[in-house]
Amino acid sequence: GNSVTQMEGPVTLSEEAFLTINCTYTATGYPSLFWYVQYPGEGLQLLLKATKADDKGSNKGFEATYRKETTSFHLEKGSVQVSDSAVYFCALNEYGNKLVFGAGTILRVKS
Amino acid sequence: NAGVTQTPKFRVLKTGQSMTLLCAQDMNHEYMYWYRQDPGMGLRLIHYSVGEGTTAKGEVPDGYNVSRLKKQNFLLGLESAAPSQTSVYFCASSFSAGVSQETQYFGPGTRLLVL
Repeated sequence: GNSVTQMEGPVTLSEEAFLTINCTYTATGYPSLFWYVQYPGEGLQLLLKATKADDKGSNKGFEATYRKETTSFHLEKGSVQVSDSAVYFCALNEYGNKLVFGAGTILRVKS
Repeated sequence: NAGVTQTPKFRVLKTGQSMTLLCAQDMNHEYMYWYRQDPGMGLRLIHYSVGEGTTAKGEVPDGYNVSRLKKQNFLLGLESAAPSQTSVYFCASSFSAGVSQETQYFGPGTRLLVL
């Protein structure tokens, strides 16, 4: 079946550092790919998405590119802030609009 | 516009007790979903619904039942709670067609502890 693998955390960075969170997937067909973010005590919210190969999703300074050849969708941000501290989930959608999530990566940003 | 709301926020049950979690959305979405979130495992789909009166099993449906009697509500029931059902439960909803259908909107979660 389809699956998503994310780098294990927690990832701890200093403010203004560069962020990369790796995500790879296994899927039949060509699913859309997503990054969701969960701030402490809240539900998940969509951060960005890409619907086809070579698409780049971007939002709030974060970006990720849909790489079909490496089946990857790595999340990057050039300069993180303390307010970016959260759990980040990579996901893909299956037939019937069902999401398959990775395990999540905790990001902690220190001031 | 409240989006997706969940009731209750937190609950403690004893093994064998039953309860119902309520999810409500005011965005006129056709699709609704119930997930559970466990440490190190991300979110896993329990049941989902593609419209009023319809439900389907997800990845981990055992021990749960659902109902979608009204379009805006999706109920998750535990008939006989077990400690393995201790988790955080999230409800989500989405549109049924077009590119927008791929974005799911999540509620704030219900934390359930089964003793």
